[in-house]
Amino acid sequence: EDKVVQSPLSLVVHEGDTVTLNCSYEVTNFRSLLWYKQEKKAPTFLFMLTSSGIEKKSGRLSSILDKKELSSILNITATQTGDSAIYLCAVVPQGGSEKLVFGKGTKLTVNP
Amino acid sequence: EAQVTQNPRYLITVTGKKLTVTCSQNMNHEYMSWYRQDPGLGLRQIYYSMNVEVTDKGDVPEGYKVSRKEKRNFPLILESPSPNQTSLYFCASSSNRRTNTEAFFGQGTRLTVV
Repeated sequence: EDKVVQSPLSLVVHEGDTVTLNCSYEVTNFRSLLWYKQEKKAPTFLFMLTSSGIEKKSGRLSSILDKKELSSILNITATQTGDSAIYLCAVVPQGGSEKLVFGKGTKLTVNP
Repeated sequence: EAQVTQNPRYLITVTGKKLTVTCSQNMNHEYMSWYRQDPGLGLRQIYYSMNVEVTDKGDVPEGYKVSRKEKRNFPLILESPSPNQTSLYFCASSSNRRTNTEAFFGQGTRLTVV
């Protein structure tokens, strides 16, 4: 059964801190990995990763995939209170049911 | 503006009373799906559709029905809702899974069944 595990489940930091969120996966055939940010509404897309070792970056956020370790990390530098959210990792398997397999998310709280 | 629109945003209903949550996308996407999100369980797929008249079960399809008569619409039907279907529901669409595109999510429907 395809599975995605995120860690930690919850994290509380102070503004300005740097955080690293982890996502590991077990899928029959991997196609891509997606990161989403969810505040009090719909998940919004952050990154899609398909190749190992290539960093995707957007402002203070960056992410990289390690296919050998079956994992990905999401880094947020100089955190701000607006970064407080649930961060979701999802994997897209090749073929089969064509669904996103989500982890349970990491709840990040950034305190002023 | 490209978007996925769900209605209603909030719904409180009684056990056994049939309801439909609508989902519409304006991006001409082939792939649409429904998820429910529950504390501690994350997002779980209910049903998905790869194109018009093509639907299939996800991980938790029991108690739900869907239809895809038009490309833009993918309603979720609860024929006889029960309290264990109280949840936050999301509709999502993407252009084509095979071309590695991200899913766009609707704003969510918070359903309470009493």
